Amino acid sequence: DADVTQTPRNRITKTGKRIMLECSQTKGHDRMYWYRQDPGLGLRLIYYSFDVKDINKGEISDGYSVSRQAQAKFSLSLESAIPNQTALYFCATSDSGTGVGEQYFGPGTRLTVT
Amino acid sequence: GENVEQHPSTLSVQEGDSAVIKCTYSDSASNYFPWYKQELGKRPQLIIDIRSNVGEKKDQRIAVTLNKTAKHFSLHITETQPEDSAVYFCAARSTSGTYKYIFGTGTRLKVLA
Repeated sequence: DADVTQTPRNRITKTGKRIMLECSQTKGHDRMYWYRQDPGLGLRLIYYSFDVKDINKGEISDGYSVSRQAQAKFSLSLESAIPNQTALYFCATSDSGTGVGEQYFGPGTRLTVT
Repeated sequence: GENVEQHPSTLSVQEGDSAVIKCTYSDSASNYFPWYKQELGKRPQLIIDIRSNVGEKKDQRIAVTLNKTAKHFSLHITETQPEDSAVYFCAARSTSGTYKYIFGTGTRLKVLA
């Protein structure tokens, strides 16, 4: 679904470096989410935002921060990357207006911390 | 806290047989239950969903059932085909203020030709 894009798609970084993952959407949705996927653990919620001025922690927010720069953009930052943050990261959006609840996922960013 | 348990973690079936994946949720305020299919290296894609005011929903070879009293829901795939091989995730969305989605840990389905 090209309506939700993530950059970069792949990134290798070193321990201690700051890194930002970006998500953009053209769907006009108000709600955006960041998930982390690890083998055998499913998708775990890091942060979510229901509009530009609303930011909420998910179940695994430690070591991460986010910024909702505009309705269409939601960035995830790792202030000081560590190896156990190596994972596949997905951004997702949903629309509160329809009341349906379907989430649309971006293509994912594979992050490796060495 | 909220939790969604999903079973089995892996499932192998012969082509043409049926597959059933089960999920149990803990938050009784959950009202929306989507199922996602994720192929290797790709993003999760919604395949079917059900709301809490409905007990069953069907879309061709895929069906979902919901038992609100027992707080569990299941995905049923009939006449399985090799292209059904993927990882399937269930999720539950709560209405108790946060509207968060809690995902199960996934089921790797292999359809053997």
